[in-house]
Amino acid sequence: EVQLVQSGAELKKPGESLKISCQASGYTFSNYWIGWVRQMPGKGLEWMAIIHPDSSDIIYNPSFQGQVTISADKSFSAAYLQWSSLKASDTALYYCARPTIIGRVIVKIDHWGQGTLVTVSS
Amino acid sequence: QSALTQPPSASGSPGQSVTISCTGTYSDVGNYDLVSWYQHHPGKAPKLMIYEVSQRPSGVPDRFSGSKSGNTASLTVSGLQAGDEADYYCSSFAGSNNLGVFGGGTKLTVL
Repeated sequence: EVQLVQSGAELKKPGESLKISCQASGYTFSNYWIGWVRQMPGKGLEWMAIIHPDSSDIIYNPSFQGQVTISADKSFSAAYLQWSSLKASDTALYYCARPTIIGRVIVKIDHWGQGTLVTVSS
Repeated sequence: QSALTQPPSASGSPGQSVTISCTGTYSDVGNYDLVSWYQHHPGKAPKLMIYEVSQRPSGVPDRFSGSKSGNTASLTVSGLQAGDEADYYCSSFAGSNNLGVFGGGTKLTVL
């Protein structure tokens, strides 16, 4: 059974750094793209970025390019999302997601993590 | 504002059918048969219900069906059950070098 288990909720101050994680199991991690989806309070979903753990190929949503860094560690079967300097507007629920991609086309999201709530407040 | 437009709410009584719409443009919904639908019970991981407009993953009841006409996709839930009460999100491919777009979500209430 595929499982994506995310790290716990975070409460941070503006300007602080943060790295959240998504631990994958139940499949060969290196063979599938994995990424992050944001849900701001009361809003819809937005793709942020995806990464292929084997090739380290990365695709960012232009809206998030330069704002976050996605990475993956094959040895730990984990994906990460990192901020160097958080803003209050980064307050959101972040989902790890494993899409089915064919020819760089996201066909569907087969598996989701449970979400990590990040709250940025002074 | 989300790229795809969904009604914020929908409702129906047990046993009834309800249809949720998802309106995009020719750049996304209208040009590709790559619309998917996700069910989200708050606090849990979202679940894929429909992909490629009308395909159901194994394990999803056939009470859930999808369709598309022009720039609008639809999710129909027949024989409503209490457990169907959740938020539903649509998503569509939107062209190369694009990660795809989502709707703002529809809260389905079973009366």
